Amino acid sequence: ETGVTQTPRHLVMGMTNKKSLKCEQHLGHNAMYWYKQSAKKPLELMFVYSLEERVENNSVPSRFSPECPNSSHLFLHLHTLQPEDSALYLCASSPLGLAGITDTQYFGPGTRLTVL
Amino acid sequence: AQTVTQSQPEMSVQEAETVTLSCTYDTSESDYYLFWYKQPPSRQMILVIRQEAYKQQNATENRFSVNFQKAAKSFSLKISDSQLGDAAMYFCAYRNLKTSYDKVIFGPGTSLSVIP
Repeated sequence: ETGVTQTPRHLVMGMTNKKSLKCEQHLGHNAMYWYKQSAKKPLELMFVYSLEERVENNSVPSRFSPECPNSSHLFLHLHTLQPEDSALYLCASSPLGLAGITDTQYFGPGTRLTVL
Repeated sequence: AQTVTQSQPEMSVQEAETVTLSCTYDTSESDYYLFWYKQPPSRQMILVIRQEAYKQQNATENRFSVNFQKAAKSFSLKISDSQLGDAAMYFCAYRNLKTSYDKVIFGPGTSLSVIP
């Protein structure tokens, strides 16, 4: 148990549905991340929030919409997804470090998303 | 752009034996961090070991050690006295020091099986 939780753990949705993934951490971290993990592909960083401000958006389609209302919570809102969006979505958090100093990311268990 | 390569999609090891997982990376930076993460079948990714590039001494964590060859841009993970609980996906990862948050690039992973 890393201290990062994700709900739901499994989600099946149709292409016209709207759903949200939730991530929560109470580790006192100030940075939160969304990753997409597809079979046979490296983890893809989707979004990064630093002090509740989005600082990375790696060419993610607009059908994925992140939200970080506070430093403990991160959401990923999903709408009109495609079957190729089926994957494991991982949330992570980390402290913020000064330049040259880093800590590690703590990952949640992931949400297994299937788009029909 | 930085890249991380793991040339062994799958590896197996006999219980109590030693196994080495390979990783190479490409970067023009002189200072950075390297990591090995473990993702067991339960899917919660955890940090195994990390190495600061400015340190010549190889990092060790109990049964896990690395062979860091900076000039060759190689970062292999050695697992000694392998245990059944070591069975997992192992990801090599790279982080530069340009951001205060963890912008990490992951390799494609190596699936390790431990044979009783």
